[in-house]
Amino acid sequence: GQQLNQSPQSMFIQEGEDVSMNCTSSSIFNTWLWYKQDPGEGPVLLIALYKAGELTSNGRLTAQFGITRKDSFLNISASIPSDVGIYFCATTQGAQKLVFGQGTRLTINP
Amino acid sequence: EAGVVQSPRYKIIEKKQPVAFWCNPISGHNTLYWYLQNLGQGPELLIRYENEEAVDDSQLPKDRFSAERLKGVDSTLKIQPAELGDSAVYLCASSMGQGPWETQYFGPGTRLLVL
Repeated sequence: GQQLNQSPQSMFIQEGEDVSMNCTSSSIFNTWLWYKQDPGEGPVLLIALYKAGELTSNGRLTAQFGITRKDSFLNISASIPSDVGIYFCATTQGAQKLVFGQGTRLTINP
Repeated sequence: EAGVVQSPRYKIIEKKQPVAFWCNPISGHNTLYWYLQNLGQGPELLIRYENEEAVDDSQLPKDRFSAERLKGVDSTLKIQPAELGDSAVYLCASSMGQGPWETQYFGPGTRLLVL
């Protein structure tokens, strides 16, 4: 099946720092999604991208759909403690099958 | 509005025992999904329902796993018999429809530990 490669696998940052993570694949996709999963909870959709080159913001979060349609990145500005969690990129395969990356675990030191 | 409800939240069983997970999707959502999430990995789709019909169960290990969605609302996922490797989080999600633009809303998951 399709494989999404997320990097970095984990990040340890200071509160207030900006964060950048990305997701790449060898395949072309029409959709890129970014989810966040808090401990003990299910993933929650943060940002959805549907067009190559699209840049979308949601508060302090900004995500872009790569021009090649094979990658996407997520930036978090001025990180705060509640940003801690695991961030997953995902794409749709077929009608509604979500395929997830392996996640980037974000840890913030206050 | 209530989100996706799953129960139990945690389950510990011995290998070879049966186990069942229950999911109640968001009201009005016709599409329901069961995902498996292994430790340190992203969720992987097991089965997708459109109303009461299973439209994608290609990833469901049918020798021991079964699922049903009677009346097209609640759903149950069963494992019989459970194996050590089944220890994972089982996530249920629902969406209004089946288009790629439809947001999937996830429940909190059931954490299964097989001893």
